[in-house]
Amino acid sequence: SQQGEEDPQALSIQEGENATMNCSYKTSINNLQWYRQNSGRGLVHLILIRSNEREKHSGRLRVTLDTSKKSSSLLITASRAADTASYFCAATDSWGKLQFGAGTQVVVTP
Amino acid sequence: EAGVAQSPRYKIIEKRQSVAFWCNPISGHATLYWYQQILGQGPKLLIQFQNNGVVDDSQLPKDRFSAERLKGVDSTLKIQPAKLEDSAVYLCASSFQTGSNTGELFFGEGSRLTVL
Repeated sequence: SQQGEEDPQALSIQEGENATMNCSYKTSINNLQWYRQNSGRGLVHLILIRSNEREKHSGRLRVTLDTSKKSSSLLITASRAADTASYFCAATDSWGKLQFGAGTQVVVTP
Repeated sequence: EAGVAQSPRYKIIEKRQSVAFWCNPISGHATLYWYQQILGQGPKLLIQFQNNGVVDDSQLPKDRFSAERLKGVDSTLKIQPAKLEDSAVYLCASSFQTGSNTGELFFGEGSRLTVL
């Protein structure tokens, strides 16, 4: 079973617009992580937010975490064509096990 | 710093044949993961090692899949015999931290398996 579930499944935006995707998970977590995957490549870590944090920023990325709702969101501001990729959330349990969701496929058109 | 190395990158086999994938994690990383990613889906955890011990293999189809991590470094994932539904990308990842301190995972480029 997959711990994280992303919404929407696909997102198409124009350069300069913001992209927001959401993630829900089922059980208690130690942290929640977001990864990016370009077509045919491995996953690349973007940002980690701990269970006692509510918001975190990294460059054009903003992540929020609501443990009461078991949900997280990833915002990419001022998107670029190079942001075209699939984005996955992964919930980490106390054993260090990461379970990924199905991902959000983002297409940014120039 | 060298990344996670995987080989082969691509493999095509007939059903019922066997295949093995190799992974060399980043030096010093205690935790190693094998994930299966079917096209259009998210990665599914097959097995997690901490050093050379298995932490979780609950989703590993043990009748056909096996994995080992000798000396707590390199790892091999084997499928025997392969089925059509095993067609996927097999991703290896490693992490320096362990257990509740687990942070960022570093992924290899993956091994793409096609079963005909």
